[in-house]
Amino acid sequence: EVHLVESGGDLVQPGRSLRLSCATSGFTFDDYAMHWVRLAPGKGLEWVSGISWNSGTIDYADSVKGRFTISRDNAKNSLYLQMNSLRAEDTAFYYCAKDTHSSYWYYFDYWGQGTLVTVSS
Amino acid sequence: EIVLRQSPVTLSLSPGERATLSCRASQSVSICLAWYQQKPGQAPRLLMYGASSRANGIPARFSGSGSGTDFTLTISSLEPEDFAVYYCQQCSNSVTFAQGTKVEIK
Repeated sequence: EVHLVESGGDLVQPGRSLRLSCATSGFTFDDYAMHWVRLAPGKGLEWVSGISWNSGTIDYADSVKGRFTISRDNAKNSLYLQMNSLRAEDTAFYYCAKDTHSSYWYYFDYWGQGTLVTVSS
Repeated sequence: EIVLRQSPVTLSLSPGERATLSCRASQSVSICLAWYQQKPGQAPRLLMYGASSRANGIPARFSGSGSGTDFTLTISSLEPEDFAVYYCQQCSNSVTFAQGTKVEIK
């Protein structure tokens, strides 16, 4: 059975940093691209970032480009999101999601339960 | 960036009724489009991919259609567990989601 478990969410002040992690199991991690998607209060889903199976292709939403960095460790079956210069508008549940393909972005067939990031002074 | 717009924002229906949700893209996405269902406090669930293919375990009352810029998700007869928020997502050029349609009990 596929499992994705996010961790690292917290209450942080504007301008600070946070690192999210996603531990996975139940599938061959290095066969698939992975993503971070967020859900802000009162808003819809927003794709944040994606990374291909070998980290050769990485992409970000314009809203986080230059501030967030996605990475993965295939030996540990884990996905990460380094979030710097956090803003109030980054407040959201952050979901880790598995792609159906390996090298670019298609559909997200498994999701974690999310981790809450709150940016506030 | 490809912008997706869903209509209506809210759909008020009774169990047993047919639900028709629309998703329109600002430019053609071919059939690189998916639909997701999300309930409060839960992760999103993939319903449809490739515009019209049902994901694993999705009941046959869910169907998808469309190509290019106009897409539809149809729930033929609403069950109590179908009341939720539905999102479309395109994968033709990077990834974007629409703002969602809430299907609520009338």
